[in-house]
Amino acid sequence: NAGVTQTPKFQVLKTGQSMTLQCAQDMNHNSMYWYRQDPGMGLRLIYYSASEGTTDKGEVPNGYNVSRLNKREFSLRLESAAPSQTSVYFCASQPGQDTDTQYFGPGTRLTVL
Amino acid sequence: GESVGLHLPTLSVQEGDNSIINCAYSNSASDYFIWYKQESGKGPQFIIDIRSNMDKRQGQRVTVLLNKTVKHLSLQIAATQPGDSAVYFCAAEGTYKYIFGTGTRLKVLA
Repeated sequence: NAGVTQTPKFQVLKTGQSMTLQCAQDMNHNSMYWYRQDPGMGLRLIYYSASEGTTDKGEVPNGYNVSRLNKREFSLRLESAAPSQTSVYFCASQPGQDTDTQYFGPGTRLTVL
Repeated sequence: GESVGLHLPTLSVQEGDNSIINCAYSNSASDYFIWYKQESGKGPQFIIDIRSNMDKRQGQRVTVLLNKTVKHLSLQIAATQPGDSAVYFCAAEGTYKYIFGTGTRLKVLA
């Protein structure tokens, strides 16, 4: 039982490049989330998926897209990376849709030059 | 807007002492709160949670206290150990699922 896994661990992009961050969970959770963590700020929600087949915007969705590929996998895509997207990205999953504990992956550290 | 704040960016405690980490939230409608521990280079790890119908909840060496009147919660760690060194932050139910605090770095002194 690996919990929540994320790939890659580190990534460096040039401005304008695109990439997809991958996330998978093996806990049979319904809800999945993408956050970014910046110095001096709390985690901020980018997008979430309350259940397979649905996605919704969070607090900071601009510049990102997501895909809930199946119940296990939730990917985050940067179509045209910008230096402002330099951050640590965390994926999380939650058993249900209501208030409940969220379980986090190890994170992807992204630098955009 | 909504906010969650922690009172101290850094807290240093002697090994074996008790640690108290505080958190204040702004949304009086928040019904659910979580404490997380984050070690350097790792993802947040769930410690304990509490719902608004409770004032206190205990786990293994940890206790969370919730004061809804002043919108404040605290995390108490008993007999602090070197392995407790990390950043601790709270999360409160908010508009976008949860609002997260910035964290208090706990340093355990030998």
